[in-house]
Amino acid sequence: KNQVEQSPQSLIILEGKNCTLQCNYTVSPFSNLRWYKQDTGRGPVSLTIMTFSENTKSNGRYTATLDADTKQSSLHITASQLSDSASYICVVSQTSGGYNKLIFGAGTRLAVHP
Amino acid sequence: DGGITQSPKYLFRKEGQNVTLSCEQNLNHDAMYWYRQDPGQGLRLIYYSQIVNDFQKGDIAEGYSVSREKKESFPLTVTSAQKNPTAFYLCASRDRVGTEAFFGQGTRLTVV
Repeated sequence: KNQVEQSPQSLIILEGKNCTLQCNYTVSPFSNLRWYKQDTGRGPVSLTIMTFSENTKSNGRYTATLDADTKQSSLHITASQLSDSASYICVVSQTSGGYNKLIFGAGTRLAVHP
Repeated sequence: DGGITQSPKYLFRKEGQNVTLSCEQNLNHDAMYWYRQDPGQGLRLIYYSQIVNDFQKGDIAEGYSVSREKKESFPLTVTSAQKNPTAFYLCASRDRVGTEAFFGQGTRLTVV
């Protein structure tokens, strides 16, 4: 079964600290992996997108890693800010029958406290 | 400015009523999607359209209907056959050959 599992479900950190969110997937065939940030009551916004051959990609204070062999990805947030409080969603893209399907994880809810 | 717009932001429906959620994009994207988001779950695909006048069922299409008469518009109707319609609905679009998906701001539907 094609699945995307994220951990932890929720996380509380203090402002200025770093954190790492995990994503494990069993999707096949794999096309690419994305991380989205979703503020409460808003639509998701893309942070990074990684293909099979990419091991790491950064977007400001966000750094995503991908290990296609173990089917694991992580999102590292450096020097967290209050505005980082949101849900972070891992999305794996699967190509099947000419159609590219997105499979979503349930997300990690991050709260950054002052 | 370019983007994808959903309306309304909040919608209340009485039992047995049909309601239509609007999704408009001016990104010139061929493909458009409707997702449903429930607490503690990942987004689930309701319907998608890869080109005008064509659409396909997603994983949870029962109780929903769509149309794609114009490239810019992909409205979703939640019918009375949908037994548990209270949820957050997200519309997305992307270039047919691209990999980036852009989301609208969502519509929160509540049955009263």
